[in-house]
Amino acid sequence: ETGVTQSPTHLIKTRGQQVTLRCSSQSGHNTVSWYQQALGQGPQFIFQYYREEENGRGNFPPRFSGLQFPNYSSELNVNALELDDSALYLCASSVAGAGEGETQYFGPGTRLLVL
Amino acid sequence: LAKTTQPISMDSYEGQEVNITCSHNNIATNDYITWYQQFPSQGPRFIIQGYKTKVTNEVASLFIPADRKSSTLSLPRVSLSDTAVYYCLFLHGSGNTGKLIFGQGTTLQVKP
Repeated sequence: ETGVTQSPTHLIKTRGQQVTLRCSSQSGHNTVSWYQQALGQGPQFIFQYYREEENGRGNFPPRFSGLQFPNYSSELNVNALELDDSALYLCASSVAGAGEGETQYFGPGTRLLVL
Repeated sequence: LAKTTQPISMDSYEGQEVNITCSHNNIATNDYITWYQQFPSQGPRFIIQGYKTKVTNEVASLFIPADRKSSTLSLPRVSLSDTAVYYCLFLHGSGNTGKLIFGQGTTLQVKP
Protein backbone atom coordinates (compact mmCIF):
# COMPACT_ATOMS: atom_id res chain seq x y z
CA GLU A 1 0.00 0.00 0.00
CA THR A 2 1.36 3.40 -1.00
CA GLY A 3 -1.05 5.55 1.00
CA VAL A 4 -2.34 7.14 -2.21
CA THR A 5 -6.10 6.75 -2.55
CA GLN A 6 -8.39 7.41 -5.47
CA SER A 7 -12.14 7.64 -5.85
CA PRO A 8 -14.29 6.33 -7.28
CA THR A 9 -12.81 2.95 -8.21
CA HIS A 10 -15.07 2.54 -11.21
CA LEU A 11 -17.25 4.92 -13.18
CA ILE A 12 -19.50 4.69 -16.22
CA LYS A 13 -20.39 7.83 -18.18
CA THR A 14 -21.89 8.61 -21.54
CA ARG A 15 -20.30 10.59 -24.32
CA GLY A 16 -20.50 14.35 -23.81
CA GLN A 17 -20.78 14.16 -20.02
CA GLN A 18 -18.30 15.54 -17.53
CA VAL A 19 -16.43 13.58 -14.85
CA THR A 20 -14.41 14.42 -11.73
CA LEU A 21 -11.88 11.99 -10.31
CA ARG A 22 -10.26 12.45 -6.92
CA CYS A 23 -6.92 11.63 -5.42
CA SER A 24 -5.53 11.88 -1.91
CA SER A 25 -1.76 11.95 -1.81
CA GLN A 26 0.49 10.08 0.56
CA SER A 27 1.09 11.84 3.86
CA GLY A 28 3.88 14.39 3.53
CA HIS A 29 3.76 14.48 -0.28
CA ASN A 30 3.21 17.87 -1.93
CA THR A 31 3.07 16.95 -5.61
CA VAL A 32 0.42 15.04 -7.54
CA SER A 33 0.71 13.75 -11.09
CA TRP A 34 -2.09 12.29 -13.20
CA TYR A 35 -1.74 9.60 -15.86
CA GLN A 36 -4.10 7.95 -18.32
CA GLN A 37 -3.61 4.29 -19.15
CA ALA A 38 -5.49 2.80 -22.09
CA LEU A 39 -5.89 -0.95 -22.24
CA GLY A 40 -2.64 -2.67 -23.16
CA GLN A 41 -0.59 0.54 -23.07
CA GLY A 42 1.74 2.15 -20.59
CA PRO A 43 0.48 5.13 -18.58
CA GLN A 44 0.62 8.52 -20.30
CA PHE A 45 1.32 11.71 -18.37
CA ILE A 46 -1.58 14.16 -18.27
CA PHE A 47 -0.32 16.87 -15.89
CA GLN A 48 1.25 17.54 -12.53
CA TYR A 49 0.31 19.84 -9.68
CA TYR A 50 2.65 21.40 -7.15
CA ARG A 51 1.64 24.03 -4.62
CA GLU A 52 -1.82 24.19 -6.14
CA GLU A 53 -0.53 25.12 -9.59
CA GLU A 54 -0.08 23.12 -12.77
CA ASN A 55 3.59 22.19 -13.07
CA GLY A 56 3.88 20.51 -16.44
CA ARG A 57 1.41 19.05 -18.91
CA GLY A 58 1.41 16.23 -21.43
CA ASN A 59 -0.29 16.08 -24.83
CA PHE A 60 -3.86 16.27 -23.59
CA PRO A 61 -6.51 18.80 -24.72
CA PRO A 62 -7.77 21.60 -22.45
CA ARG A 63 -10.92 19.64 -21.62
CA PHE A 64 -8.64 17.77 -19.23
CA SER A 65 -8.16 20.05 -16.24
CA GLY A 66 -7.20 19.69 -12.64
CA LEU A 67 -6.99 21.19 -9.22
CA GLN A 68 -4.80 20.74 -6.19
CA PHE A 69 -6.05 21.73 -2.76
CA PRO A 70 -4.14 23.10 0.25
CA ASN A 71 -4.05 19.61 1.77
CA TYR A 72 -2.34 18.44 -1.47
CA SER A 73 -5.27 16.30 -2.58
CA SER A 74 -6.20 16.70 -6.22
CA GLU A 75 -8.98 16.41 -8.75
CA LEU A 76 -8.94 15.55 -12.43
CA ASN A 77 -11.83 16.91 -14.46
CA VAL A 78 -12.67 15.81 -17.96
CA ASN A 79 -15.31 17.68 -19.94
CA ALA A 80 -17.15 16.59 -23.07
CA LEU A 81 -16.22 12.95 -22.63
CA GLU A 82 -15.30 10.96 -25.70
CA LEU A 83 -15.28 7.20 -26.19
CA ASP A 84 -11.45 7.24 -26.31
CA ASP A 85 -11.37 8.66 -22.79
CA SER A 86 -12.22 5.18 -21.52
CA ALA A 87 -9.13 4.20 -19.54
CA LEU A 88 -7.59 3.65 -16.14
CA TYR A 89 -6.76 7.02 -14.57
CA LEU A 90 -3.87 6.97 -12.16
CA CYS A 91 -2.60 9.55 -9.77
CA ALA A 92 0.84 9.51 -8.22
CA SER A 93 2.20 11.56 -5.35
CA SER A 94 5.74 12.62 -4.62
CA VAL A 95 7.78 15.15 -2.69
CA ALA A 96 9.26 17.96 -4.75
CA GLY A 97 12.81 18.76 -3.77
CA ALA A 98 13.29 15.46 -1.97
CA GLY A 99 16.65 14.91 -3.62
CA GLU A 100 18.08 11.72 -5.12
CA GLY A 101 15.16 11.40 -7.52
CA GLU A 102 11.64 12.20 -6.48
CA THR A 103 9.94 8.81 -6.54
CA GLN A 104 6.29 8.85 -7.55
CA TYR A 105 3.94 6.51 -5.71
CA PHE A 106 0.77 5.49 -7.50
CA GLY A 107 -2.75 4.99 -6.30
CA PRO A 108 -4.95 2.07 -7.39
CA GLY A 109 -6.58 4.03 -10.20
CA THR A 110 -10.09 4.85 -11.35
CA ARG A 111 -11.50 2.81 -14.20
CA LEU A 112 -13.60 5.08 -16.45
CA LEU A 113 -15.85 3.66 -19.14
CA VAL A 114 -17.45 6.05 -21.62
CA LEU A 115 -20.42 4.70 -23.54
CA LEU B 1 13.32 13.40 -23.38
CA ALA B 2 15.45 10.30 -23.13
CA LYS B 3 13.90 7.05 -24.33
CA THR B 4 14.13 3.54 -22.95
CA THR B 5 14.08 0.26 -24.84
CA GLN B 6 13.28 -3.05 -23.18
CA PRO B 7 12.08 -6.48 -24.37
CA ILE B 8 8.35 -6.75 -24.96
CA SER B 9 8.03 -10.06 -23.13
CA MET B 10 9.96 -12.67 -21.17
CA ASP B 11 9.16 -16.11 -19.82
CA SER B 12 10.63 -17.71 -16.74
CA TYR B 13 9.97 -20.53 -14.28
CA GLU B 14 9.39 -20.39 -10.59
CA GLY B 15 12.57 -20.23 -8.55
CA GLN B 16 14.71 -18.83 -11.36
CA GLU B 17 16.50 -15.50 -11.36
CA VAL B 18 15.15 -13.09 -13.96
CA ASN B 19 17.18 -10.28 -15.49
CA ILE B 20 15.45 -7.60 -17.54
CA THR B 21 17.76 -5.23 -19.39
CA CYS B 22 16.78 -1.73 -20.43
CA SER B 23 18.70 0.41 -22.93
CA HIS B 24 18.81 4.18 -22.54
CA ASN B 25 21.51 5.60 -24.78
CA ASN B 26 20.67 9.28 -24.25
CA ILE B 27 20.15 9.36 -20.51
CA ALA B 28 20.80 12.79 -19.03
CA THR B 29 23.30 13.50 -16.29
CA ASN B 30 20.64 14.16 -13.66
CA ASP B 31 18.31 11.28 -14.58
CA TYR B 32 17.72 8.42 -12.16
CA ILE B 33 16.76 5.00 -13.49
CA THR B 34 13.54 3.74 -11.97
CA TRP B 35 11.66 0.47 -12.30
CA TYR B 36 7.98 -0.13 -11.67
CA GLN B 37 5.89 -3.29 -11.56
CA GLN B 38 2.25 -3.30 -12.63
CA PHE B 39 -0.45 -5.93 -12.26
CA PRO B 40 -3.61 -5.76 -14.40
CA SER B 41 -5.99 -2.96 -13.41
CA GLN B 42 -3.72 -1.74 -10.61
CA GLY B 43 -1.45 1.24 -10.27
CA PRO B 44 2.28 0.79 -10.98
CA ARG B 45 4.27 -0.20 -7.92
CA PHE B 46 7.73 1.27 -7.34
CA ILE B 47 10.40 -1.45 -7.25
CA ILE B 48 13.81 0.16 -7.24
CA GLN B 49 15.73 3.23 -8.34
CA GLY B 50 19.39 3.98 -8.89
CA TYR B 51 21.89 6.36 -10.42
CA LYS B 52 24.98 4.22 -10.93
CA THR B 53 26.66 0.95 -9.92
CA LYS B 54 24.45 -1.42 -7.96
CA VAL B 55 21.42 -0.91 -5.78
CA THR B 56 19.73 -3.69 -3.82
CA ASN B 57 16.59 -3.78 -1.74
CA GLU B 58 14.39 -6.52 -0.33
CA VAL B 59 12.69 -7.05 -3.68
CA ALA B 60 15.28 -6.65 -6.43
CA SER B 61 18.71 -5.51 -7.51
CA LEU B 62 19.53 -2.90 -10.10
CA PHE B 63 22.81 -2.97 -11.99
CA ILE B 64 23.95 0.15 -13.82
CA PRO B 65 27.28 0.18 -15.72
CA ALA B 66 29.60 3.16 -15.60
CA ASP B 67 28.38 4.62 -18.91
CA ARG B 68 24.75 4.42 -17.67
CA LYS B 69 23.53 3.58 -21.18
CA SER B 70 21.73 0.51 -19.90
CA SER B 71 20.48 -1.00 -16.69
CA THR B 72 19.44 -4.48 -15.56
CA LEU B 73 16.70 -5.30 -13.11
CA SER B 74 17.38 -8.57 -11.35
CA LEU B 75 14.56 -10.47 -9.63
CA PRO B 76 15.89 -13.34 -7.52
CA ARG B 77 13.93 -16.59 -7.35
CA VAL B 78 10.72 -15.43 -9.02
CA SER B 79 7.34 -16.85 -8.09
CA LEU B 80 4.04 -17.00 -9.94
CA SER B 81 3.00 -13.75 -8.25
CA ASP B 82 5.84 -11.93 -10.03
CA THR B 83 3.94 -12.28 -13.31
CA ALA B 84 3.42 -8.64 -14.26
CA VAL B 85 4.51 -5.83 -16.55
CA TYR B 86 7.83 -4.20 -15.63
CA TYR B 87 8.62 -0.65 -16.73
CA CYS B 88 12.03 0.97 -16.95
CA LEU B 89 11.80 4.76 -16.63
CA PHE B 90 13.74 7.90 -16.01
CA LEU B 91 13.14 10.21 -13.10
CA HIS B 92 14.74 13.63 -13.27
CA GLY B 93 16.88 14.68 -10.37
CA SER B 94 16.12 16.97 -7.51
CA GLY B 95 14.51 20.29 -8.23
CA ASN B 96 12.74 19.14 -11.36
CA THR B 97 9.92 16.83 -10.41
CA GLY B 98 8.68 15.80 -13.77
CA LYS B 99 6.70 13.36 -15.74
CA LEU B 100 7.43 9.69 -16.01
CA ILE B 101 7.57 8.46 -19.60
CA PHE B 102 6.25 4.92 -19.74
CA GLY B 103 6.99 2.68 -22.71
CA GLN B 104 5.33 -0.63 -23.43
CA GLY B 105 7.17 -2.33 -20.61
CA THR B 106 8.25 -5.96 -20.37
CA THR B 107 5.54 -8.52 -19.72
CA LEU B 108 7.06 -11.21 -17.51
CA GLN B 109 5.27 -14.55 -17.43
CA VAL B 110 6.37 -16.88 -14.64
CA LYS B 111 5.43 -20.50 -15.19
CA PRO B 112 5.16 -23.27 -12.59
